[in-house]
Amino acid sequence: NAGVMQNPRHLVRRRGQEARLRCSPVKGHSHVYWYRQLPEEGLKFMVYLQKENIIDESGMPKERFSAEFPKEGPSILRIQQVVRGDSAAYFCASSPGQNQETQYFGPGTRLLVL
Amino acid sequence: QKEVEQNSGPLSVPEGAIASLNCTYSDRGSQSFFWYRQYSGKSPELIMSIYSNGDKEDGRFTAQLNKASQYVSLLIRDSQPSDSATYLCAVNAGNTGFQKLVFGTGTRLLVSP
Repeated sequence: NAGVMQNPRHLVRRRGQEARLRCSPVKGHSHVYWYRQLPEEGLKFMVYLQKENIIDESGMPKERFSAEFPKEGPSILRIQQVVRGDSAAYFCASSPGQNQETQYFGPGTRLLVL
Repeated sequence: QKEVEQNSGPLSVPEGAIASLNCTYSDRGSQSFFWYRQYSGKSPELIMSIYSNGDKEDGRFTAQLNKASQYVSLLIRDSQPSDSATYLCAVNAGNTGFQKLVFGTGTRLLVSP
């Protein structure tokens, strides 16, 4: 009974490169959330997705960041032209559906931008 | 802006004592409240959820909610060194039909043997 899976666990990129972070939710969960945790800061909501739909992206930076949750395959958080300030831990969480609100977190991807 | 406030700590307690962690939130309409534990370098792990005023107990953990005072707390009885971690309070700030968690910055708990 696998939990939320994220890969890669660690990702190093140089400034200007692209970063792709993947998240597979708990089997049977149709809701995915992405959070970012900057060093010494709290978790900040980025985006909430259901299959093929972005429900709330109010926490996403306006530029360079995008997210998707296709009908098949994992959810992807994509960061284009990374900058040093993007260095953080990115956590994905999933939940079964609207009426079951508990979110279960994956192990996270630690992104380091050189 | 919806906010969740926690004392950053560290909160130091001896082994076997009761640790009391507190959290206040700004959005009076919030309905769902969660406590997560996060060990250094690890992901948040759900400890408790609470939706109604009063106490909710699960093993050594008790969550307390007072919506009138916009206050939620977590009590850890018989604290163990393995409880040493950062405890995150989270409030569901989403509107009806969708949800997003707003987290406090966390309280670091240190339990000394």
